[in-house]
Amino acid sequence: EAQVTQNPRYLITVTGKKLTVTCSQNMNHEYMSWYRQDPGLGLRQIYYSMNVEVTDKGDVPEGYKVSRKEKRNFPLILESPSPNQTSLYFCASSQPGDRVTEAFFGQGTRLTVV
Amino acid sequence: AQSVTQPDIHITVSEGASLELRCNYSYGATPYLFWYVQSPGQGLQLLLKYFSGDTLVQGIKGFEAEFKRSQSSFNLRKPSVHWSDAAEYFCAVGAGGGADGLTFGKGTHLIIQP
Repeated sequence: EAQVTQNPRYLITVTGKKLTVTCSQNMNHEYMSWYRQDPGLGLRQIYYSMNVEVTDKGDVPEGYKVSRKEKRNFPLILESPSPNQTSLYFCASSQPGDRVTEAFFGQGTRLTVV
Repeated sequence: AQSVTQPDIHITVSEGASLELRCNYSYGATPYLFWYVQSPGQGLQLLLKYFSGDTLVQGIKGFEAEFKRSQSSFNLRKPSVHWSDAAEYFCAVGAGGGADGLTFGKGTHLIIQP
């Protein structure tokens, strides 16, 4: 089954404690991306990757890091989490092509920073 | 820069009634347009997409959307809603349609009255 898998689904952590949210896709997609969803703000892109070792900032990259060492994985790293990073996070993947491609989303990770 | 406006934060519809969710976009070239649905506690599921061709596109779950270039709109419609349609709906515009460049609206929360 084609899917994007995020772990963990829920996470509560303390300010300043480094954490990683993993994202893996099994569709051999080149594009992967991270979004955060906040009430009244919709989804905002944090970082995206167009291929292995190619990443770029989205609209709200401050406080986040990413890496793309393998095609299937695109972890999101919070080196020093702060309460304003409490949010619902989504990973997405898609494959570029001549026609419109669909972005597949993971189930989301609800992060609370206290 | 591309942008999406969903004017209605909340919409309440009686079960069996028709539905129209509004979406206006701003984009310099021909846009890729999407509607996604997010059920409570779930990830995002693609309802339908438009790039070119017939301006009326059919999606899953009985939804359709009409692209109107003159109005920069891509409104989502359903002739008869079911209680299971209660969810958050997001309109999105993208340059390439992939995970790298989607801009989302802030969402419309659909409530179904019995």
